[in-house]
Amino acid sequence: SQTIHQWPATLVQPVGSPLSLECTVEGTSNPNLYWYRQAAGRGLQLLFYSVGIGQISSEVPQNLSASRPQDRQFILSSKKLLLSDSGFYLCAWSVGGGSADTQYFGPGTRLTVL
Amino acid sequence: GENVEQHPSTLSVQEGDSAVIKCTYSDSASNYFPWYKQELGKGPQLIIDIRSNVGEKKDQRIAVTLNKTAKHFSLHITETQPEDSAVYFCAATSGYSTLTFGKGTMLLVSP
Repeated sequence: SQTIHQWPATLVQPVGSPLSLECTVEGTSNPNLYWYRQAAGRGLQLLFYSVGIGQISSEVPQNLSASRPQDRQFILSSKKLLLSDSGFYLCAWSVGGGSADTQYFGPGTRLTVL
Repeated sequence: GENVEQHPSTLSVQEGDSAVIKCTYSDSASNYFPWYKQELGKGPQLIIDIRSNVGEKKDQRIAVTLNKTAKHFSLHITETQPEDSAVYFCAATSGYSTLTFGKGTMLLVSP
């Protein structure tokens, strides 16, 4: 069966510091991968998605970036965090190669920027 | 692009009552409509989904209906229980490989 992992689970960072969140998926090959941000416990904002290694689509221009160095690894990064980057970050995967289908979410990372 | 509107934003019911959450979408090309349940501090979990070639789907106490002509779909939960309390999200396909989500409904089931 497929599983999705995110780490860290929680993170407290000062403004201006760098960020690296990691997501890995097990039990599937060539998945579509997604990063979402959720503010105040409601609303899922799609940040990035990837349909293959090295392929990243950005939905919202901001100081975040994403990379997919391996087939089942998705990384969310920032060089300098802003207060507004605080939130609950969710990674998700879906079966690749076709039109939009069921997305399966990871447990999330709670990021607080002080 | 796709726009999904979800109502109500908050829904309070007594245990044993039914709950209905409604969503509308704008893109007539959308063909997949999942519903997710999110408990506090956790990632959303898929509870039921429906594709455009059917009008209704049931799974025990949960059902989803789809009206493609009117571009709306609904989640129905019968015999609600306190453990049904959570935030529920609807979604619709919005282009290749992506979903657009509604803003969520907080369901509170009182014992």
